Amino acid sequence: NAGVTQTPKFQVLKTGQSMTLQCAQDMNHNSMYWYRQDPGMGLRLIYYSASEGTTDKGEVPNGYNVSRLNKREFSLRLESAAPSQTSVYFCASSPRTVYEQYFGPGTRLTVT
Amino acid sequence: TQLLEQSPQFLSIQEGENLTVYCNSSSVFSSLQWYRQEPGEGPVLLVTVVTGGEVKKLKRLTFQFGDARKDSSLHITAAQPGDTGLYLCAANAGGTSYGKLTFGQGTILTVHP
Repeated sequence: NAGVTQTPKFQVLKTGQSMTLQCAQDMNHNSMYWYRQDPGMGLRLIYYSASEGTTDKGEVPNGYNVSRLNKREFSLRLESAAPSQTSVYFCASSPRTVYEQYFGPGTRLTVT
Repeated sequence: TQLLEQSPQFLSIQEGENLTVYCNSSSVFSSLQWYRQEPGEGPVLLVTVVTGGEVKKLKRLTFQFGDARKDSSLHITAAQPGDTGLYLCAANAGGTSYGKLTFGQGTILTVHP
C-alpha cells in the first residue's frame, strides 16, 4: 500500500497562473482533506470531503476549489495563484470523519 | 473557530531529559489527537484520546486528556535524538464541526546527543 500520494512534490508558479494539486489514497477511506501549513500556524483546513460526492469548506477556502473525482482521488485547484498561497499543502484521508487522519508527503508551492 | 494553544513553541533539550508539551483550549472537544512531523514529511498520528481524564502510554510517551476535555499534555521520558520533530495536537469539536480537525501551531522539539 502506498497510503496517501501527492503530486507534484514541488511547484513554482507566477502570480495569476493556475494549477491543480493531485491526491490519491489506496486505503478505501471515505473522507479526504486538504490542508495548508505555514510557519508558526500549524495546519489549516482548506476543504474536506466527508464522502464521495460531497465537499465542504474548511477554515481557509478562499482562492481554492476542490473536486472529489471518486473515492480514491481528491484534487485541489488554484485558479489564479497569489503570493499569499505560497505554502506547503498536505492531503489527508480518514476512515471516518472524526478520528485518525493519514497524511501524504506534501506539495511545496511557491508563488512569485 | 476553536483555538488550540500549544506551549512551548520551541524546546531544545539534552538527551536523557524529560519534557512536557501542553495543548490548551477554552472549548470542549469530543476527541483529541497528537501527531509528530519530521522535516519534509506529513504528520503521523501518535495517539487519539476521547475520554476525559484518559491517560495513554506509547513507550516513553505519555498522553493525558484533561477531565473537562479542554486540554491535553504529552510527556516524554528520557528524550532521545530520534524524538526530534514537530509535535502537533489536533482536536474535533463534534456536533456541527463533525469531520473537521483544528490543529495547534505546533511545538518544535530538538533533542541534542
